[in-house]
Amino acid sequence: AQKITQTQPGMFVQEKEAVTLDCTYDTSDQSYGLFWYKQPSSGEMIFLIYQGSYDEQNATEGRYSLNFQKARKSANLVISASQLGDSAMYFCAMREGKTGGFKTIFGAGTRLFVKA
Amino acid sequence: EAQVTQNPRYLITVTGKKLTVTCSQNMNHEYMSWYRQDPGLGLRQIYYSMNVEVTDKGDVPEGYKVSRKEKRNFPLILESPSPNQTSLYFCASSLAGGYTNTEAFFGQGTRLTVV
Repeated sequence: AQKITQTQPGMFVQEKEAVTLDCTYDTSDQSYGLFWYKQPSSGEMIFLIYQGSYDEQNATEGRYSLNFQKARKSANLVISASQLGDSAMYFCAMREGKTGGFKTIFGAGTRLFVKA
Repeated sequence: EAQVTQNPRYLITVTGKKLTVTCSQNMNHEYMSWYRQDPGLGLRQIYYSMNVEVTDKGDVPEGYKVSRKEKRNFPLILESPSPNQTSLYFCASSLAGGYTNTEAFFGQGTRLTVV
């Protein structure tokens, strides 16, 4: 069955340091998109970054980059130069193509704490 | 302003009393979804719709109904709510589904309590 696994329920990082949030996925679909979302304590969902299954380059968006290793089925989020405002819940998600019925699957999330 | 609007934001109801949570988007998006968020489980897709009159079950559809009669609206219906449907619900829309680079825009969430 298709699934997303985020193995780190919680993580701490020192302000200004980089942090990697892990995400592995499982799908038999060749066409899929991988997304990361941030959910602050206020509850809204904020899109961070996207990686398509056919993209050969790792995606980057400002301080966010996605370490995409297709053979290992991993899509880790790297946040560089952490800020206090990065403290939040982070979700990895996969949206499948036709073979997967166009479903969207989320991981259980990783709660990131940034220390001053 | 581009947005997804859910109503109500908070709802407390009793077991068995039918309710509807509305969702509307003003971005002409094709793909719309409903999710429930429970601690430790992340977001789980309840139903999704690729376009008008096209809906499909997600991973947890039992006890829910949806309809997509217009492109902008995607209401979630609980015909006979039960306490295990107490959760935080999100509606989301994106320009397209599948593997395309089209981010999802989320509503502000509806916190439902069934007593």
